[in-house]
Amino acid sequence: EAGVAQSPRYKIIEKRQSVAFWCNPISGHATLYWYQQILGQGPKLLIQFQNNGVVDDSQLPKDRFSAERLKGVDSTLKIQPAKLEDSAVYLCASSFGRGETQYFGPGTRLLVL
Amino acid sequence: GQQLNQSPQSMFIQEGEDVSMNCTSSSIFNTWLWYKQEPGEGPVLLIALYKAGELTSNGRLTAQFGITRKDSFLNISASIPSDVGIYFCAGRTSGGSNYKLTFGKGTLLTVNP
Repeated sequence: EAGVAQSPRYKIIEKRQSVAFWCNPISGHATLYWYQQILGQGPKLLIQFQNNGVVDDSQLPKDRFSAERLKGVDSTLKIQPAKLEDSAVYLCASSFGRGETQYFGPGTRLLVL
Repeated sequence: GQQLNQSPQSMFIQEGEDVSMNCTSSSIFNTWLWYKQEPGEGPVLLIALYKAGELTSNGRLTAQFGITRKDSFLNISASIPSDVGIYFCAGRTSGGSNYKLTFGKGTLLTVNP
């Protein structure tokens, strides 16, 4: 069974630029999560989707971050414009349903200069 | 928001030694989870605990859900070099519309062959 796929694996941008990350969850998983992991910290939930609807985006900085999961499968997370403090690993995870085991992708490492 | 205190922050041990790490919270959780993250990868679930007082093993790993529901520990027996990585505890609340995971800051484990 294929795992959670993420791309790109690495991204370097300058502050004020825009960036987008892509996630393809495990087939059949209805719930999709985006996490931000700053160096030396545990992952922090940014947004949770159930199919194509947002369940929780309370920790998403909505002035610059946006995410969508239009067809209930793939998802994109966008940052516009990026700030230095956005440098982190962005992890995507999926689960069969809410409360089920979350499986994480390898992450996208973002460096904002 | 909810916060998890994970200790120790890092450990450097000799191969064959036993390891113990723990996590405490000011809030009650319904589920405790332990993940391992290796360089360049996303976290992988090791053990899930669902009831206060529960003691669960997975090979050389043993974890317990504290009876107060505010703490958990993970033990690794007879460590081997491939145990190297960052171990995260995570607490999960349930009910309502989401099942949010809150992660600790992690314990970095280094095993000297």
